[in-house]
Parts: sequence; structure tokens; C-alpha cells
Amino acid sequence: SQELEQSPQSLIVQEGKNLTINCTSSKTLYGLYWYKQKYGEGLIFLMMLQKGGEEKSHEKITAKLDEKKQQSSLHITASQPSHAGIYLCGASRISGTYKYIFGTGTRLKVLA
Amino acid sequence: GAGVSQSPSNKVTEKGKDVELRCDPISGHTALYWYRQSLGQGLEFLIYFQGNSAPDKSGLPSDRFSAERTGGSVSTLTIQRTQQEDSAVYLCASSPTGGSPLHFGNGTRLTVT
Repeated sequence: SQELEQSPQSLIVQEGKNLTINCTSSKTLYGLYWYKQKYGEGLIFLMMLQKGGEEKSHEKITAKLDEKKQQSSLHITASQPSHAGIYLCGASRISGTYKYIFGTGTRLKVLA
Repeated sequence: GAGVSQSPSNKVTEKGKDVELRCDPISGHTALYWYRQSLGQGLEFLIYFQGNSAPDKSGLPSDRFSAERTGGSVSTLTIQRTQQEDSAVYLCASSPTGGSPLHFGNGTRLTVT
């Protein structure tokens, strides 16, 4: 079973639309990371969340971690074709350790 | 500065052969990770090195897989007697310390025929 569930698995939106990607775990998450991957390339770090209720923004991307630290969301405002790619969440399930597991990813396509 | 470097970028091998995949982490990074990404799948944790501590090998799928890290720097992932199900992209990542964001290489695409 997948320890980090991401939804949706894929998403197609029209340029300019807002969208949200979710990352959910049945257990507490420590050090929640969001990455973006383009085809044939490695993962690019977007944001890290550690505290329950934490929210961070960078340009048009906002990430939140809920109070229980079991769910995170990534929200993109006014999407652009450059936002297309695969978004992955990763986290440690054990406090103080750094064995990071990742979700299955959300494939985003933005239509111009 | 230089990022995480992986070689080769592509490897095609025959079933039953051994392969070695190399990872050069960012200089000074004490933590090094190997992940496997199969088509349409997320990242599967394989192994984690932190400084001089014993590596966390809990993700290695079978005893055909092994990894070492020499001098706290370069790491080699070895797959013996490769099988077709080993075909995947193998990603290496490093970080300055545990708890810091991971910096990923571009991966090695392994195809076992």
C-alpha cells in the first residue's frame, strides 16, 4: 500500500485556472516536501513544511500542512504552461529520522 | 555550483548481467539517498547514507541490490543478475544534513532486455 496518497493522479487545466493537489497520510508526517519533476529530469525542490498549520508561498504556488500534520495541499493560482510537470510530495514518517518516502505523484498539464 | 551528478544517464543491459550506477553528490553533503522510479510510479526508497553511520538499507528490494559510499562522497548502486523488473529510473539525491531539502540528480534510466 502507498504510504503517501496523492490526488488527483493527473490533472488537465486551462491556462489561467487555479488548481489544488493533495497529499495525505494515515500517520503524522515530519518534514513535508513538495517537488516538481519534468520529463527526463530530476526533481526540483519547491517548498518544505514542518509545523502543523504552516503555510508557505512562492510566486503563484502555495503549500499548506494541516494542524495534524497528516495532509498537505499544493495550490497553484492562475496556472501557466510552465507549471506543467509531475508534482510529488515527500515526507518522513518517523520523527528525527530522514528516511523520506514519496507519493505517486500528480501529473499536471496546462493547456494554453 | 555543480549539482548531483549521475552516470551513466542511460544503461541498457541483458538480463542476468550485473550493473553499477554511480552518484557524485554535491560536495560537503553528508546525506545521500537512492530512489527508484518505475513507469507511472512514485519514488521508491532504496537506501540512505548519513555521514559515517550505518546506512538504512530497508528499501533494497532483494539481496541482488547493494550500495556503498566511499569516503563519504561518491556512491555506487550495484544490481547483480539483473531482471526485467529492475528496469526503471534510478535517482540519487544528497542533502547537507538530515532534514534539509534533497537535491536530486537527473537519474540513470536502466533498461533490462
